[in-house]
Amino acid sequence: DTGVSQDPRHKITKRGQNVTFRCDPISEHNRLYWYRQTLGQGPEFLTYFQNEAQLEKSRLLSDRFSAERPKGSFSTLEIQRTEQGDSAMYLCASSPRREVIYGYTFGSGTRLTVV
Amino acid sequence: SQQGEEDPQALSIQEGENATMNCSYKTSINNLQWYRQNSGRGLVHLILIRSNEREKHSGRLRVTLDTSKKSSSLLITASRAADTASYFCATRNYGQNFVFGPGTRLSVLP
Repeated sequence: DTGVSQDPRHKITKRGQNVTFRCDPISEHNRLYWYRQTLGQGPEFLTYFQNEAQLEKSRLLSDRFSAERPKGSFSTLEIQRTEQGDSAMYLCASSPRREVIYGYTFGSGTRLTVV
Repeated sequence: SQQGEEDPQALSIQEGENATMNCSYKTSINNLQWYRQNSGRGLVHLILIRSNEREKHSGRLRVTLDTSKKSSSLLITASRAADTASYFCATRNYGQNFVFGPGTRLSVLP
């Protein structure tokens, strides 16, 4: 287990289609985060899981977005009826309970382009 | 909305020079972290400083924190071309998640 894995790396979709991204965190990390990053900006928080429980959702996460983390392992982020404004890099991060010491470990991201 | 704001937005220096980036934030924090992001990649955690600390070192990195001014600085000494990246500060208040600033884009010229 060498880090946080995200799949796919790139996704091009037509407006109105649904897309799903996957994140595999570091196995011993019980916390998992989704962030969205647009060009020239810092990551914006979307949602956070502790084990399988989704504990916080940003108001950025409209009802077209849903995230799951079944069994507290991998997580999926689904975007329904994609819009051009959804084009961004979607970053997943994980951390152990003592994240105050170790910070977050980020994956390489999934770049979504909605055409 | 992003709590932290890095300054400058972009910085270009020669290899071997020192690079200093600043981060200002608005509300009380528990700790502050700095991350690096190479183009098109994920973020890499560099260093964390707690609210009761004033300075931390890690290799060529030095971070300071002034809670009275709500600001932090990241100093990279003896910069290398490989240090070319975007640098983000992330702040966190108790019980909340990290909030990232818009970043400083550092270019180190050979």
